[in-house]
Amino acid sequence: SSELTQDPAVSVALGHTVTITCQGDSLRDYYATWYQQKTGQAPLLVVYGKNSRPSGIPSRFSASRSGNTASLIITGAQAGDEADYYCESRDSRGNHFQVFGPGTKVTVL
Amino acid sequence: QMQLEESGPGLVKPSETLSLACSVSGDSISNSDHYWAWVRQPPGKGLEWIGTIYYSGNTYYNLPLKSRATISVDTSRNQLSLRLTSVTAADTATYFCARRRGYPIESPTGGYYYHYYTDVWGSGTTVIVSS
Repeated sequence: SSELTQDPAVSVALGHTVTITCQGDSLRDYYATWYQQKTGQAPLLVVYGKNSRPSGIPSRFSASRSGNTASLIITGAQAGDEADYYCESRDSRGNHFQVFGPGTKVTVL
Repeated sequence: QMQLEESGPGLVKPSETLSLACSVSGDSISNSDHYWAWVRQPPGKGLEWIGTIYYSGNTYYNLPLKSRATISVDTSRNQLSLRLTSVTAADTATYFCARRRGYPIESPTGGYYYHYYTDVWGSGTTVIVSS
């Protein structure tokens, strides 16, 4: 199956660490990509590959994986990190076939 | 600075064809390092990949939309387009165009593959399907 699953919502206290998980069969063999989407905005790439961040993304965003689960970790969450986070992986059909997870709403308390 | 800008009618009638364009600036749509994609997001819901195209014309579609979606590129205008036929209310969404790039990476289970990701997104255009 190419489906990805995510918890609908998580909350984190300001300055604390939160882990957002994404599960799917494809994640056993392929790394996930993570996007942040704030209300009314386009998605923003935050982590890709094994654990790479585009220029301008703070180092508090990192990724890890184990088995069929990919994780996005926000270490020392800030108020500005409150957003929806989507994982993405390739579909079983090949490199150019994408699938998104349903998204996780992160609330910073 | 690389930018993508979607354009098209904000309102489409049911059963008609939705046509959107995406103007690319700051990069060439013929850049061999990049692919170009359309993604949509219904109101209050998650992201849905529609399809991806390479400048040469190779296309890849999400299975549920494959029979209705057509993505094309116009290299002379540095633009990509999306056509979605026989629309219904379920096609009401914000439509994003995006640039994808990839690089070879070692798989967690051995071997290598090309890891693709979207590094640039347009701001999106909202399309409502209603009579």
